[in-house]
Amino acid sequence: DTAVSQTPKYLVTQMGNDKSIKCEQNLGHDTMYWYKQDSKKFLKIMFSYNNKELIINETVPNRFSPKSPDKAHLNLHINSLELGDSAVYFCASSQVISRGELFFGEGSRLTVL
Amino acid sequence: GENVEQHPSTLSVQEGDSAVIKCTYSDSASNYFPWYKQELGKRPQLIIDIRSNVGEKKDQRIAVTLNKTAKHFSLHITETQPEDSAVYFCAAIMKSSGDKLTFGTGTRLAVRP
Repeated sequence: DTAVSQTPKYLVTQMGNDKSIKCEQNLGHDTMYWYKQDSKKFLKIMFSYNNKELIINETVPNRFSPKSPDKAHLNLHINSLELGDSAVYFCASSQVISRGELFFGEGSRLTVL
Repeated sequence: GENVEQHPSTLSVQEGDSAVIKCTYSDSASNYFPWYKQELGKRPQLIIDIRSNVGEKKDQRIAVTLNKTAKHFSLHITETQPEDSAVYFCAAIMKSSGDKLTFGTGTRLAVRP
């Protein structure tokens, strides 16, 4: 079974639309993250949740709203999509917040037209 | 702000040669330094990490060195093989930013057969 799974893997949409990416981990980890990787391959943390509680909230437009219904799930909802939102979004989890190995999902490639 | 600088951004070596990637960090309280490898179209995966209580760690052809005084750490790959071709990211815990794991800008390594 995949440790960290995210859906969809590919997402193509028009500017102004709203979309969601879902993430689930079956590792029993307490902490989950969303990272954004742009075309230059820079990996930037967006959000971190520890046991359903928001821990890290980087300078991200409030069009991005994470939701963690339980510690095994962390979803990302994006409103009013813009061209600059095009990127690969990686979900990740770790046993302890920001320590030890990060286990990444396969990534969700979002293309905004 | 707190950041991690990584050099070089691209590196091309002949198969069998060594490759060295260097990173510097700004938070003197940082105590955990992982390295991730991301193959083309894949997720980043941890390959080696080092904590601040040691100066060097080795795992087969991969080694990492840490100089806490100078606030820099390096990844060394010996006897490079074509399958080592990937983007490599260093990272460091930013204690002053709530234990945030901050990634370097990545190094694209190409190993020529």
